[in-house]
Amino acid sequence: QKEVEQNSGPLSVPEGAIASLNCTYSDRGSQSFFWYRQYSGKSPELIMFIYSNGDKEDGRFTAQLNKASQYVSLLIRDSQPSDSATYLCAALQWYGQNFVFGPGTRLSVLP
Amino acid sequence: DADVTQTPRNRITKTGKRIMLECSQTKGHDRMYWYRQDPGLGLRLIYYSFDVKDINKGEISDGYSVSRQAQAKFSLSLESAIPNQTALYFCATSWQASGPDEQFFGPGTRLTVL
Repeated sequence: QKEVEQNSGPLSVPEGAIASLNCTYSDRGSQSFFWYRQYSGKSPELIMFIYSNGDKEDGRFTAQLNKASQYVSLLIRDSQPSDSATYLCAALQWYGQNFVFGPGTRLSVLP
Repeated sequence: DADVTQTPRNRITKTGKRIMLECSQTKGHDRMYWYRQDPGLGLRLIYYSFDVKDINKGEISDGYSVSRQAQAKFSLSLESAIPNQTALYFCATSWQASGPDEQFFGPGTRLTVL
């Protein structure tokens, strides 16, 4: 069973702090990794993806990938109350195949 | 107009009824997916289709069937609905590209089976 695991949270951080969201995956054949944000009752929306080891930055968001440790993380700098949502980690086994989603981590940014 | 639409947005039905959820997209994508979401379980793949003649079972296909009527339309059917199929259902699309492909989600259908 290919699995993607996340701490369900809730993770609470004060406004302006760095939020760190973690994800591990079991299938070493996974090639690409995605972070989606989902507000309550809404559909997931892509924040960013990463497929190379190391860091990838996009604005306040940084994705980190360590394939040897099968670990993906998302850092949110200068967290805002509007970042309060559930963050879904997803793995794509290889190009063209289906995605496996983690259960999501609920983030709460306190003003 | 939304690129990925789902109808209906909300549906309450009774055990044993046949239900169809519809998904349409104007993004021109070739790949379409149906997921269900339950609290604490994330998104689970029901069926996916890479083109009109291609249908594949996902992780939890039992009790569901699909039809890809056209590149832009992908329907999910529950032949005889049961209460544990109460969930939020999402359709998603993506396209074959040279790199990692992003999935675009519809707004979701909230289904309640009594």
